[in-house]
Amino acid sequence: KNQVEQSPQSLIILEGKNCTLQCNYTVSPFSNLRWYKQDTGRGPVSLTIMTFSENTKSNGRYTATLDADTKQSSLHITASQLSDSASYICVVSRQSNTGKLIFGQGTTLQVKP
Amino acid sequence: ETGVTQTPRHLVMGMTNKKSLKCEQHLGHNAMYWYKQSAKKPLELMFVYNFKEQTENNSVPSRFSPECPNSSHLFLHLHTLQPEDSALYLCASSQAKGAITHGYTFGSGTRLTVV
Repeated sequence: KNQVEQSPQSLIILEGKNCTLQCNYTVSPFSNLRWYKQDTGRGPVSLTIMTFSENTKSNGRYTATLDADTKQSSLHITASQLSDSASYICVVSRQSNTGKLIFGQGTTLQVKP
Repeated sequence: ETGVTQTPRHLVMGMTNKKSLKCEQHLGHNAMYWYKQSAKKPLELMFVYNFKEQTENNSVPSRFSPECPNSSHLFLHLHTLQPEDSALYLCASSQAKGAITHGYTFGSGTRLTVV
């Protein structure tokens, strides 16, 4: 069954600290993996996209990793800011004509001053 | 703004009301989607339209009725809803071919509350 599992479900950290969010998937055949950030009351916005051959990709203070062998991805946030408070959603695409996306349930991050 | 605009942003409706959600995109995309987002659950795909034709209906109850008059506009007509239909309804758009590579652009959603 094609699934995407994220952990932890929620996380609270102090401003300035680092954190890592996890994503495990069983989607096959794999096409790519995206991390989205969703602010409260907003739609998801793409942070990074990773294909099978990519291990690491950075977008500012966000760094995503992908291990296609173990089917795991992580999103590392460095020097967190209050504006990082949001839900982070891992989305895996299957290779198919319809571009099927499989969504994780998200990790809710709260950054406190 | 992402280029995908949804209205209204918030909607409260009774179970006997009829209302419509609207989505508009100015990105030149030719595929549009409706998703339902409930608390603590993954996004659920409801409907897919490619070039104005519905290509996917993910076993959605008939009290939700989509309409896609052209590639830029998408509606979700609602009637006789239940309280469990309360959720954030997200519209997204993409290129019909290349959605996997280029991804989706989401609107900000309509927060629906059924009372």
